[in-house]
Amino acid sequence: DVKVTQSSRYLVKRTGEKVFLECVQDMDHENMFWYRQDPGLGLRLIYFSYDVKMKEKGDIPEGYSVSREKKERFSLILESASTNQTSMYLCASSIGSGGLETQYFGPGTRLLVL
Amino acid sequence: QKEVEQDPGPLSVPEGAIVSLNCTYSNSAFQYFMWYRQYSRKGPELLMYTYSSGNKEDGRFTAQVDKSSKYISLFIRDSQPSDSATYLCAMCRDDKIIFGKGTRLHILP
Repeated sequence: DVKVTQSSRYLVKRTGEKVFLECVQDMDHENMFWYRQDPGLGLRLIYFSYDVKMKEKGDIPEGYSVSREKKERFSLILESASTNQTSMYLCASSIGSGGLETQYFGPGTRLLVL
Repeated sequence: QKEVEQDPGPLSVPEGAIVSLNCTYSNSAFQYFMWYRQYSRKGPELLMYTYSSGNKEDGRFTAQVDKSSKYISLFIRDSQPSDSATYLCAMCRDDKIIFGKGTRLHILP
């Protein structure tokens, strides 16, 4: 079974702090994704990566950056957390070219920014 | 016009009933159509995906795509209390993916 793990289930941070969310997958998938999920807005793609050191902007990249130094690991960075970044953050991975249609999600990280 | 529309529910049905969940979309370029199930406080789980129009069946689940009407459906037969969850439709093409906001489903024992 594909396993996608995220470093924290719950996180509380203060405005202005730098926040790191880590995601690891164990199935040698090429593609990795970061989403945020908000009530009434659904899932929105922040960034994705098709290969090590590659990154592409999704629909809402502002205020976020990412890092992919190893194939199995994809990090989401909030350079200076703000209250409007309070959300559920979901990481996903998939195999193959594109691979948007067969994504496997992690359990999510609930981030609260005070 | 929104790219994807999905009734948020909640939808409550008795155990054993057939459930029908639907989404409409506006962009005819979408090629893949997916259904995810998400339990409370968990990540979404891929149930099924289909390419282009047609039906696909997997156990109690059937996905249906009508590209001419821009309408997709998920049918659940012999519904169980364990099917109670939020169901998300999604569709994609090239490097763009859109999710519906999800329908909350309650199966009543």
